Amino acid sequence: DTGVSQDPRHKITKRGQNVTFRCDPISEHNRLYWYRQTLGQGPEFLTYFQNEAQLEKSRLLSDRFSAERPKGSFSTLEIQRTEQGDSAMYLCASSLAEGRNEKLFFGSGTQLSVL
Amino acid sequence: GNSVTQMEGPVTLSEEAFLTINCTYTATGYPSLFWYVQYPGEGLQLLLKATKADDKGSNKGFEATYRKETTSFHLEKGSVQVSDSAVYFCALNTGTASKLTFGTGTRLQVTL
Repeated sequence: DTGVSQDPRHKITKRGQNVTFRCDPISEHNRLYWYRQTLGQGPEFLTYFQNEAQLEKSRLLSDRFSAERPKGSFSTLEIQRTEQGDSAMYLCASSLAEGRNEKLFFGSGTQLSVL
Repeated sequence: GNSVTQMEGPVTLSEEAFLTINCTYTATGYPSLFWYVQYPGEGLQLLLKATKADDKGSNKGFEATYRKETTSFHLEKGSVQVSDSAVYFCALNTGTASKLTFGTGTRLQVTL
């Protein structure tokens, strides 16, 4: 068990640029989640996948955000035309689908700074 | 909607002191309740959970009891250690997947 890994750890970009983050879940986990955490706040749910299917997206996920999980393995989160308000820590988590009490395993996150 | 309120930090304690971090919630439906911990430089980790009223979750000397009548899930530990220094998040879930609602987190600093 190598844990959930996220890449890059840090990303600095200029407003208006596109950025893409990658998450590699624990290999046997079929669910993958994306959360966003801003300074001084708790994580907020963005979206989740079961295998390759994206089952739910939060209202927080504007049209500039898109997530994929091809083949049900790693996932990418892309932000187009970044804005300063997108600056946050983006967290990925994975789990075995066991209902509402499943245990989430989080990665260390990607810290995005939009200048 | 769902929300979680935690006591603001930082909480600074001496080693071996008693710890309480308050957490109250509002939820539509019957939630499951969780405490997650984030150690410096690491990802969030599940510390403990409780899935129904009067359940007590426990792990690593930490405990929390699901109190439906007071909508609370306070975290306690009888004797903290320096290694417990971290940020603690209370969270709830009412859905079938882990769309957790988190509190803002409470930073705990334990000194010798």
